Amino acid sequence: GEDVEQSLFLSVREGDSSVINCTYTDSSSTYLYWYKQEPGAGLQLLTYIFSNMDMKQDQRLTVLLNKKDKHLSLRIADTQTGDSAIYFCAASEGGATNKLIFGTGTLLAVQP
Amino acid sequence: EPEVTQTPSHQVTQMGQEVILRCVPISNHLYFYWYRQILGQKVEFLVSFYNNEISEKSEIFDDQFSVERPDGSNFTLKIRSTKLEDSAMYFCASRPGITYEQYFGPGTRLTVT
Repeated sequence: GEDVEQSLFLSVREGDSSVINCTYTDSSSTYLYWYKQEPGAGLQLLTYIFSNMDMKQDQRLTVLLNKKDKHLSLRIADTQTGDSAIYFCAASEGGATNKLIFGTGTLLAVQP
Repeated sequence: EPEVTQTPSHQVTQMGQEVILRCVPISNHLYFYWYRQILGQKVEFLVSFYNNEISEKSEIFDDQFSVERPDGSNFTLKIRSTKLEDSAMYFCASRPGITYEQYFGPGTRLTVT
């Protein structure tokens, strides 16, 4: 079955760009997602990308997809302390069920 | 902005007891899900529900688990006889019919003692 992997920790300085990486194994994954989880809160959907796209931009967020390498990244421009959270990558095959397979999550620590 | 809500936020129960976790999905959404996250582990899919029936369930979702949409707004997960290993954060999610974004609730932390 699908396996999604992420690095566990990333530390950046405020104002820098952050890049969080994710790899997945199943080439039939059709939709790829990024969620943010702040302490004590649920999973907030940040963005998702369809597999026929290479890039999607939404304000400070840029998602890049390399389908050949099964690699997804989330770039956060001008990172702020409020961006400190755990970021989860998830993949799905779409279809009627569209169950999400999650990565381990990457803890982003933003240093002032 | 509409959001998924879940109650209670924290539930403590004794082993062998039945628990019901409640969710109110976003109005007009058609697909409903339960996921769980055991402390320190990945978020895992449990079950999906559409048109008043289960559309897919994982190996975790055994006979001890059941889901129900008793009315037009609530979506519940029942665990009949809780085990220590059921201790986890349980997330409800919902999705509109046409697009593929899934919106999650804040979760219910279940502690089985």
